[in-house]
Amino acid sequence: DTAVSQTPKYLVTQMGNDKSIKCEQNLGHDTMYWYKQDSKKFLKIMFSYNNKELIINETVPNRFSPKSPDKAHLNLHINSLELGDSAVYFCASSQAGSSYNEQFFGPGTRLTVL
Amino acid sequence: GDSVTQMEGPVTLSEEAFLTINCTYTATGYPSLFWYVQYPGEGLQLLLKATKADDKGSNKGFEATYRKETTSFHLEKGSVQVSDSAVYFCALRVNTGFQKLVFGTGTRLLVSP
Repeated sequence: DTAVSQTPKYLVTQMGNDKSIKCEQNLGHDTMYWYKQDSKKFLKIMFSYNNKELIINETVPNRFSPKSPDKAHLNLHINSLELGDSAVYFCASSQAGSSYNEQFFGPGTRLTVL
Repeated sequence: GDSVTQMEGPVTLSEEAFLTINCTYTATGYPSLFWYVQYPGEGLQLLLKATKADDKGSNKGFEATYRKETTSFHLEKGSVQVSDSAVYFCALRVNTGFQKLVFGTGTRLLVSP
């Protein structure tokens, strides 16, 4: 019954590798997001998709490429991983046009780059 | 640009103490305001929200009032419990265009028995 799920929960990898994080929501929402939370807990939006279309793309390196195969999924692929990519990545979803546009968050993926 | 400023933590309290976590914002237009809570090892959960000036959001004994004149949305609780220990995030959403959330830096609350 998980509303927003992410896999994997933990990801440990070497510098220079390529990795993906998957996100799925079963809430019927049409908008999904990726956030990055750094070691100081600062949370910043990276991307947002509405109906599979990219609508928010903050200043994020080109090594990060989101992909939305359908409204219920938003995956994040990261090429050539760097030490500074170590963080917790949160996926979220919401329904555009709803009165509060409340965002529901996944449990996070802790990425550690060695 | 739009921004949220929260008081630095950690905030350390004894059980049943009164809690205030300050939050002020800068925004173009009239934002909606939110408090999210993050328990250890978990994702963020919406705690409460307010969409217009003088609205009061409340949930689980927590309250916050949208103060347009002081651009503030301070979080309060009359009597904290150990289970309230978490990181609290103030956030705003500008209600124009595509509605992204802008978060404050988070305030860690530690409640001891």
